[in-house]
Amino acid sequence: AQSVAQPEDQVNVAEGNPLTVKCTYSVSGNPYLFWYVQYPNRGLQFLLKYITGDNLVKGSYGFEAEFNKSQTSFHLKKPSALVSDSALYFCAVTGAGSYQLTFGKGTKLSVIP
Amino acid sequence: DAGITQSPRYKITETGRQVTLMCHQTWSHSYMFWYRQDLGHGLRLIYYSAAADITDKGEVPDGYVVSRSKTENFPLTLESATRSQTSVYFCASRGQGAYNEQFFGPGTRLTVL
Repeated sequence: AQSVAQPEDQVNVAEGNPLTVKCTYSVSGNPYLFWYVQYPNRGLQFLLKYITGDNLVKGSYGFEAEFNKSQTSFHLKKPSALVSDSALYFCAVTGAGSYQLTFGKGTKLSVIP
Repeated sequence: DAGITQSPRYKITETGRQVTLMCHQTWSHSYMFWYRQDLGHGLRLIYYSAAADITDKGEVPDGYVVSRSKTENFPLTLESATRSQTSVYFCASRGQGAYNEQFFGPGTRLTVL
């Protein structure tokens, strides 16, 4: 069975400071990892993914994520937070040949002006 | 317009009534998915479809029925709505290969009285 843990329900960060949203996963075989963002009353928007190769993945809106196989983690990062980054962030995992994308419960990011 | 659309966006119904939520995508993606989003649970997969006329259960299928006669459409029916089915429902699609990201519709907020 595959699973995702987002240990923080909420993360608060000051505007201009770096931000990190944590994610750990469990899956059989090599993982495919995804980050999505959800703004209020909207669907999920794809931010970035890790399939293979470079452990540092760059995505939309200045976000990046670091894949760490030994720690089974895929933390989302941004060097300088914007107020407009305030949203709900979901980490998700699947494995090759799997139909199911398993989501974490989400982390609410609040960027304080 | 290209993309994935859902209708209606908002629906209020009564216990015991049949409700159908519509989903349409213009990418000719082979895979389509229905999720429900509830506070504290993140996104849970209800049903998915790998191609036209191929559907299968996800994590929480009870009380729901799906069909997929055409690649672009994937309706979700609640045959006899219950209050526990009050939720926000998201449709998603992706291409072949689990490494592909899913694209989400805007969601349908369903209230069952």
